[in-house]
Amino acid sequence: GQSLEQPSEVTAVEGAIVQINCTYQTSGFYGLSWYQQHDGGAPTFLSYNGLDGLEETGRFSSFLSRSDSYGYLLLQELQMKDSASYFCAVRDGHSGAGSYQLTFGKGTKLSVIP
Amino acid sequence: EAGVVQSPRYKIIEKKQPVAFWCNPISGHNTLYWYLQNLGQGPELLIRYENEEAVDDSQLPKDRFSAERLKGVDSTLKIQPAELGDSAVYLCASSLGPVANEQFFGPGTRLTVL
Repeated sequence: GQSLEQPSEVTAVEGAIVQINCTYQTSGFYGLSWYQQHDGGAPTFLSYNGLDGLEETGRFSSFLSRSDSYGYLLLQELQMKDSASYFCAVRDGHSGAGSYQLTFGKGTKLSVIP
Repeated sequence: EAGVVQSPRYKIIEKKQPVAFWCNPISGHNTLYWYLQNLGQGPELLIRYENEEAVDDSQLPKDRFSAERLKGVDSTLKIQPAELGDSAVYLCASSLGPVANEQFFGPGTRLTVL
């Protein structure tokens, strides 16, 4: 089966940088995604890493090391609106389903303080 | 462009009663997903549709849960009878296809079973 580990809570100061780590165990790994979810809201896609390395999208960056089964989400210039839960999700293949499935971690609740 | 639409947003029912959730995906998205999200957890896949065909329903408790996607557009998820443990948020998501990197989530239906 699949398992993902990420910290349950992180607190950071407005304007700072924060890194949210994710380690995973899975078979048939294809990639790692990150989603943001505000309280009571819908998860929204942030990034996807299919290959090793860093992907940058504005203030957010995501990194993947497949050999270490590890990835992280980096948030720079933190803003109060970044307070939310962040989920890493492994995309793996199911031979029976013939396609890919997303398995989500339990999420990291980020609190940005003034 | 309209996002994924779900209704109702909230539902409170007595245990053993039936309940149904409706989802309208983004126009042109052939792949539709139903997820369950418990408090403090990540979304868990219940069922995935490719057009009108359920291609991955291995996580759907088939004794009480059922789903359909008539004409490959809207979808309905039903629980009959509901149990206390079914209280959760039921999320619908859609994507362009089964290999698309991004899934678009609806706001979810928060179910409370009393």
